[in-house]
Amino acid sequence: QSALTQPASVSGSPGQSITISCTGTSSDVGGHNYVSWYQQHPGKAPKLMIFDVSNRPSGVSNRFSGSKSGNTASLTISGLQAEDEADYYCSSYTSSSTLEWVFGGGTKLTVL
Amino acid sequence: QLQLQESGPGLVKPSETLSLMCTVSGGSIRSSSYYWGWIRQPPGKGLEWIGSMYYSGSTYYNPSLKSRVTMSVDTSKNQFSLKLSSVSAADTAVYYCVRLVVRGSHMDVWGKGTTVTVSS
Repeated sequence: QSALTQPASVSGSPGQSITISCTGTSSDVGGHNYVSWYQQHPGKAPKLMIFDVSNRPSGVSNRFSGSKSGNTASLTISGLQAEDEADYYCSSYTSSSTLEWVFGGGTKLTVL
Repeated sequence: QLQLQESGPGLVKPSETLSLMCTVSGGSIRSSSYYWGWIRQPPGKGLEWIGSMYYSGSTYYNPSLKSRVTMSVDTSKNQFSLKLSSVSAADTAVYYCVRLVVRGSHMDVWGKGTTVTVSS
């Protein structure tokens, strides 16, 4: 089971847009539409931001959006705000020999 | 609103077994729509999936931990548990219990997490 690949850090100024990538394989990200994204502030539990590649749970700002192309999923945050500064993790389920779940290594978003 | 609460010792000695419980409130663990699972996060590091299970008892474990992990469910108490044997300092982490949606496999509810330190 290999972790999904995310950039270690990204940054942007308030009001700008940023995109975080998440690269996997045809067994996980590329094999289905079950990619999710989580936001984690320091000392807090992760929070679901995007599920099934591009769906937002109730209550999550529409500034957050998700997409996928091939084996790479992406999270885009538009109109950056100070409170968006956090760690972001992608996740996918993988159906190799059995059900497994895998996370990306995480991306630290800094709002300049 | 469904809530999850982890409980268990905060300190475990090397080579012993780590045991954690997750109590589900505000909903039933007996749902065909969800799995129940454990995620951990070592200090300063990323998230790691430990295992997931269905209320009927079917279990799925991270291959890297499979030989040491046991998960079980007590539907009468609306609880599920984690046991991790032969622990070492590398198992020091914040442990989260989660609910996973079967159709989609995303983790939509998280406990607040409990810190477990492995040290003599």
